[in-house]
Amino acid sequence: SAVISQKPSRDICQRGTSLTIQCQVDSQVTMMFWYRQQPGQSLTLIATANQGSEATYESGFVIDKFPISRPNLTFSTLTVSNMSPEDSSIYLCSVEDWDREWGYTFGSGTRLTVV
Amino acid sequence: QQQVKQSPQSLIVQKGGISIINCAYENTAFDYFPWYQQFPGKGPALLIAIRPDVSEKKEGRFTISFNKSAKQFSLHIMDSQPGDSATYFCAPRGNDMRFGAGTRLTVKP
Repeated sequence: SAVISQKPSRDICQRGTSLTIQCQVDSQVTMMFWYRQQPGQSLTLIATANQGSEATYESGFVIDKFPISRPNLTFSTLTVSNMSPEDSSIYLCSVEDWDREWGYTFGSGTRLTVV
Repeated sequence: QQQVKQSPQSLIVQKGGISIINCAYENTAFDYFPWYQQFPGKGPALLIAIRPDVSEKKEGRFTISFNKSAKQFSLHIMDSQPGDSATYFCAPRGNDMRFGAGTRLTVKP
């Protein structure tokens, strides 16, 4: 199955700054997904990133706040912009894994704390 | 619209016991019914999944039971072990995927 490397694993940031999270997959994939998981909560889809096109954002998430890049079929970045304490959360990237019965494989996540 | 309801929110089971987690859904377009297991500090990992053309699937100690008419599916963990202590999510999918709220399972030794 796919292996995802996500960086950084955690960070503490000042409010008003931005953080870029990187997601590297060991195989080529069409779609990559970005999720947010607040502590003790379920996962919420932020956006779907296709290579060569604009990311598709879910309701409540906007490109100005969470710009996404998808320069090739194995890599994507999510930026959390102009951060506030409310952005403190775990951010996860994910891909659809054909080897695993169409399930999703997730990175280990980025634990972000905004102070 | 709450499309996926997962219960219970938390569950404590003695070692060797049976853990049962339930998931009810509304969207009849869902056609794939997985359960994910998440340990602290890790991303969710696919545990077991079922397609709607079968009513039960077993993999080792883990079984999914699926009731299409009731729009429910459940995860059964037989002979529960302390290493099974984790958070479990149902995440039915069709054109999109919806995660349940999660069940925190604690297996006491």
